Amino acid sequence: EVQLVESGGGLVQPGRSLRLSCAASGFTFDDYAMHWVRQAPGKGLEWVSGISWNSGSIGYADSVKGRFTISRDNAKNSLYLQMNSLRAEDTALYYCAKAADKWELLLSAFDIWGQGTMVTVSS
Amino acid sequence: DIQMTQSPSTLSASVGDRVTITCRASQSISSWLAWYQQKPGKAPKLLIYKASSLESGVPSRFSGSGSGTEFTLTISSLQPDDFATYYCQQYNSYSSLTFGGGTKVEIK
Repeated sequence: EVQLVESGGGLVQPGRSLRLSCAASGFTFDDYAMHWVRQAPGKGLEWVSGISWNSGSIGYADSVKGRFTISRDNAKNSLYLQMNSLRAEDTALYYCAKAADKWELLLSAFDIWGQGTMVTVSS
Repeated sequence: DIQMTQSPSTLSASVGDRVTITCRASQSISSWLAWYQQKPGKAPKLLIYKASSLESGVPSRFSGSGSGTEFTLTISSLQPDDFATYYCQQYNSYSSLTFGGGTKVEIK
């Protein structure tokens, strides 16, 4: 079964850091780009960051550029999001999502999603 | 960045109705558009990719059309399981993969 399982969320104070992880199974992880998408409570979807299958192409939303860092470990079938200098507006459910197209660098729809991990930034 | 505008934001409809949701891009995205369905407390589900290609396992009552800047998602005969929020997403631009604001389909 194709599956993505996020972890690492929690309550954190403004200005602090948090690292999210996403464990993938059921598909050849290093064939696909991977992405993080977030959803603030009661709001819509916002793409956060993406990384190509070989980590050669990386993209970030303007709202997180310079504060968040995406990475992957293909040997561990895992995706990560290092979040620094967190702000109240980063409070959201963070989803890990798999690119639908094999070998595509970053431009793809997302065909598999995890259930998300909640990040709350508050003092 | 490319902006995606969905309309309407809320839609009230009855079982059996034909439903159409529109998504407009602020500049041409060719056919690089996807549609997702999201139910409360659940992750989004891919319905349509490349503007009109039906994802495997998605019922044929869902269809997508359009290219350039104007796109539509049509549900030919609304079923009870279809009451949800729908999002479009462009994947034409490396600067950002933007989503529309969402359309909530409610029971009339």
